[in-house]
Amino acid sequence: NAGVTQTPKFQVLKTGQSMTLQCAQDMNHNSMYWYRQDPGMGLRLIYYSASEGTTDKGEVPNGYNVSRLNKREFSLRLESAAPSQTSVYFCASSGYYEQYFGPGTRLTVT
Amino acid sequence: RKEVEQDPGPFNVPEGATVAFNCTYSNSASQSFFWYRQDCRKEPKLLMSVYSSGNEDGRFTAQLNRASQYISLLIRDSKLSDSATYLCVVLDNYGQNFVFGPGTRLSVLP
Repeated sequence: NAGVTQTPKFQVLKTGQSMTLQCAQDMNHNSMYWYRQDPGMGLRLIYYSASEGTTDKGEVPNGYNVSRLNKREFSLRLESAAPSQTSVYFCASSGYYEQYFGPGTRLTVT
Repeated sequence: RKEVEQDPGPFNVPEGATVAFNCTYSNSASQSFFWYRQDCRKEPKLLMSVYSSGNEDGRFTAQLNRASQYISLLIRDSKLSDSATYLCVVLDNYGQNFVFGPGTRLSVLP
């Protein structure tokens, strides 16, 4: 069991470039989440998906889009990256209660 | 008022010490509570769920006081490997949104 996997682990983008962060889980969980974590700050929810085919905005959705491709996969897209989006991005999934996290993607936008 | 607040820390304690962390939450309808630990530059990992009656897992004890909207984590006989940031997490009454506290950093010193 891999749990929650994320790709890539690291990425450097120039301002204005686009990219998609991939996330997959093999725990048959209905809910999936994208968070960002900035230095010295807590996790902030970007988007979540309660089930396949549904997505909802979290606390900081501006500048991001998501796709719940199927039950396993939930991707996060930055259409036009900005330096303010430099952060560590974590994907998570949840069954009934507890959440499990992927290893994160460290993104730097220059 | 923030939804989940924690002791600001950092806590620097010697090996073998007992240390307690406190957390308060604002949504009285919250249904589930957790403690996660996060090592530097790693993803959060579930430490323990917190049950109404309180629960213990080895050297770790978690308590919940719904009336005061207060959660605690007690670590006995601290080990060097306990050094991490401890995150208090509250699941909202809809069962979808996990709200994270800012974390309390613990350093266990030799």
